[in-house]
Amino acid sequence: DTAVSQTPKYLVTQMGNDKSIKCEQNLGHDTMYWYKQDSKKFLKIMFSYNNKELIINETVPNRFSPKSPDKAHLNLHINSLELGDSAVYFCASSPSLGGTEQFFGPGTRLTVL
Amino acid sequence: DQQVKQNSPSLSVQEGRISILNCDYTNSMFDYFLWYKKYPAEGPTFLISISSIKDKNEDGRFTVFLNKSAKHLSLHIVPSQPGDSAVYFCAATGPPLVFGKGTRLSVIA
Repeated sequence: DTAVSQTPKYLVTQMGNDKSIKCEQNLGHDTMYWYKQDSKKFLKIMFSYNNKELIINETVPNRFSPKSPDKAHLNLHINSLELGDSAVYFCASSPSLGGTEQFFGPGTRLTVL
Repeated sequence: DQQVKQNSPSLSVQEGRISILNCDYTNSMFDYFLWYKKYPAEGPTFLISISSIKDKNEDGRFTVFLNKSAKHLSLHIVPSQPGDSAVYFCAATGPPLVFGKGTRLSVIA
């Protein structure tokens, strides 16, 4: 039974399109995150949500809009996709805000052509 | 501006020997440090952590050492096993979590 799941696992799309990545956690955690791992392999936080409220937005273009319909879900919508958006996107969760141990999903590899 | 640095992109170790993975950080406000392990096509999984008030934490074959004055931590794996072959990420938090670039460990049978 997967703790943190993401769909889709792979996403290939054209520049300019809009796409969404879904994330769900069944751990009962209060806090969820989105990370981006770029071509240089850096894993950087994008957003953090606690109890459906945005806590952290780390200088991410406003083309990226996270949406948390409930505590168990944090979806990432990306408008007007650009080549530089190609990366692996990881969703994660932790029991509470400031929780040090985070549980990661398997990642979504986004390729923008 | 890398606040957490893993300067060795890769490391090869013989099975049964010790693996030592190193990590340096620049932000003295970090108060908790973690190591994550990542297999291909999977997300990172938590391995071991250490609070800034400690200098050592041990969990089975894994030990993390923290030298605050040098802003350096290391992960020791002994004995190394082929199943330990993965990418290891060092991370630090204030919060949020800040990750290093990772070190790919290959344990050779």
